Amino acid sequence: GESVGLHLPTLSVQEGDNSIINCAYSNSASDYFIWYKQESGKGPQFIIDIRSNMDKRQGQRVTVLLNKTVKHLSLQIAATQPGDSAVYFCADFLTGGGNKLTFGTGTQLKVEL
Amino acid sequence: GAGVSQSPRYKVAKRGQDVALRCDPISGHVSLFWYQQALGQGPEFLTYFQNEAQLDKSGLPSDRFFAERPEGSVSTLKIQRTQQEDSAVYLCASSPQGAQRQPQHFGDGTRLSIL
Repeated sequence: GESVGLHLPTLSVQEGDNSIINCAYSNSASDYFIWYKQESGKGPQFIIDIRSNMDKRQGQRVTVLLNKTVKHLSLQIAATQPGDSAVYFCADFLTGGGNKLTFGTGTQLKVEL
Repeated sequence: GAGVSQSPRYKVAKRGQDVALRCDPISGHVSLFWYQQALGQGPEFLTYFQNEAQLDKSGLPSDRFFAERPEGSVSTLKIQRTQQEDSAVYLCASSPQGAQRQPQHFGDGTRLSIL
């Protein structure tokens, strides 16, 4: 089946630096992507989404980039703060695959003071 | 609050017992989803409801798993004759509409431990 995977399981950054979290997906029929943040003991929290007809979308301190040619997604967090420490998941919807999300394994972001 | 609410937050059961997990979605949300999250992994889809209709149950791992949403709001995930491999966090999510691509909003889950 399709898979959504992440390149790095753990990312450590200094407070104030920018963070980049990467994600590869395998199915070219994926048409909608979401980034979620999950803190310990909590459910995934929506951060930002992007549809396959776009290549960039910006939110507050976050930017998602989509490269459909190489099936790659990234989440950029500007001026990373201690509160950004969490596990980040990318997830996708598959065209014709109903409404279920397929999640990757996750990247642990650690912000060092 | 106005978010997805799940209960209980923690459940410990002995192997072979039946358990029932409850989800209260965001009011008015048409779609409701159940996911299973193993330690250190991403959530995995179990089943999907649109109102009271269960439209997709392809992710349910066995016939011991059963979900219902009889009135199109609250949903219950039931696991019969629990086994140790059922230990996981069970997440519920809801979204406003049925067919459109849109974010799913998650509850904080029920952590199930089978002894």
